Amino acid sequence: DIVMTQAPLSVSVTPGESASISCRSSKSLLHSNGITYVYWYLQKPGKSPQLLIYRMSNLASGVPDRFSGSGSETDFTLKISRVEAEDVGIYYCGQLLENPLTFGSGTKLEIK
Amino acid sequence: EVQLQQSGPEVGRPGSSVKISCKASGYTFTDYVMNWVKQSPGQGLEWIGWIDPEYGSTDYAEKFKKKATLTADTSSNTAYIQLSSLTSEDTATYFCARPGYPAYWGQGVMVTVSS
Repeated sequence: DIVMTQAPLSVSVTPGESASISCRSSKSLLHSNGITYVYWYLQKPGKSPQLLIYRMSNLASGVPDRFSGSGSETDFTLKISRVEAEDVGIYYCGQLLENPLTFGSGTKLEIK
Repeated sequence: EVQLQQSGPEVGRPGSSVKISCKASGYTFTDYVMNWVKQSPGQGLEWIGWIDPEYGSTDYAEKFKKKATLTADTSSNTAYIQLSSLTSEDTATYFCARPGYPAYWGQGVMVTVSS
């Protein structure tokens, strides 16, 4: 199984500042078709996860462009610019390259 | 509009089974596999498996092969997960989901195992 390792466990951010979350996979998520199958989700308290970034760097529909994703074959970063109060929740990276699908353990974002 | 509407909360006795439904609408049900994800209280996301509604084929995470059974009814566009031999470890929220892009998740069903 592909292990997804996320850091940090939690992050506290002042509104208007930036935050970065890292995710590392135990295997390359780059498919032979050139697509890197890492996804980023935000789960707000009491809600279902919502997709933020797909295929490493593509912004999902309706997601503010303050969110961006980048990375290589095994190391990935979610960056949130100009953090707002509505960004609180738990962020998960996940790999959809192969079964079993696996997720990072989550990063809790709090507002200072 | 794509929606995944899940059934209501369940309480099961230890050793019993529960069956949760996920009714899909707004798209052709047989065009996409349906995934199921478990979230234990205060924990992260754990993939259980998926079902291809068109063929009924399934794939499970090793851990859930004896715990979960995935089925689908194409006449009602509904996917199901049955959890058997319930223990306290099965107390969790269960989501049906299409996690790719565009992503859709059900609202989740809380299953509580209690005597």
